[in-house]
Amino acid sequence: LAKTTQPISMDSYEGQEVNITCSHNNIATNDYITWYQQFPSQGPRFIIQGYKTKVTNEVASLFIPADRKSSTLSLPRVSLSDTAVYYCLVGPRGGTDKLIFGTGTRLQVFP
Amino acid sequence: EAEVAQSPRYKITEKSQAVAFWCDPISGHATLYWYRQILGQGPELLVQFQDESVVDDSQLPKDRFSAERLKGVDSTLKIQPAELGDSAMYLCASSLLLGSFYEQYFGPGTRLTVT
Repeated sequence: LAKTTQPISMDSYEGQEVNITCSHNNIATNDYITWYQQFPSQGPRFIIQGYKTKVTNEVASLFIPADRKSSTLSLPRVSLSDTAVYYCLVGPRGGTDKLIFGTGTRLQVFP
Repeated sequence: EAEVAQSPRYKITEKSQAVAFWCDPISGHATLYWYRQILGQGPELLVQFQDESVVDDSQLPKDRFSAERLKGVDSTLKIQPAELGDSAMYLCASSLLLGSFYEQYFGPGTRLTVT
C-alpha cells in the first residue's frame, strides 16, 4: 500500500484557487489516487479519483504527472464552505487494500 | 439522493456499559464498512462486510467489539463493555463494489462519549 504525504494544513481566502499536493513515491502500477473531503462532524465524502494525467468534475480537478509519484488536488475559487479536511489515498481498485486516511490536510478558508 | 443512515447520532454512556450502533447502507450496496475516528485523526477501518460475510476484521478489538450484518443489509456494531478510550465518532460506509478504492458513501456517524 503506497504511503502518502500531504501538508498538515493550508489557509486560503474566498475566491482563490487552492492546490493541495500529495506525494506518493511508492505508488504501484495498478494504484489509483483518491481524494475525500470531510466537514466537521460529518463522514468523509468522495470527491475525485484518477489514474493519470488530469481528471475534472464539478467539484475539483486532479492533476497527475507522468511519473505518478505525486498528485495535486485543485479547488477553483474556494468559498467558506470548502473549509474541511482533505485526504489523499492511494491504492488499487478491487484489491484487498483498505483505506488508510492519515491526518489529511486541514484547509481553512477565510472571508 | 440515497444516503447511508446511522443511529443514534449521539450516545453518552458510562464505562463498563454496553452500547450499540446501527447502520443502514444505500440500497443495493453489498459492501459495508465500520470505521472509528478519534478527534483530530482520520477514520480507521474496524470491519468490512461483503453481504453478510466479514471480509476484514483485523482491526476490530474482538474482546469487546462485535459486528454483525445478519441479512446482508443493515448492520450493528456493539461495544461491551465500553471503555473511556472508546470515545470517538463511529462511521458506517457502503459501496456498490468490493474493493476499498471504489467510491465509499459515508453516513453521518455516531458520536460516542464514554464517561
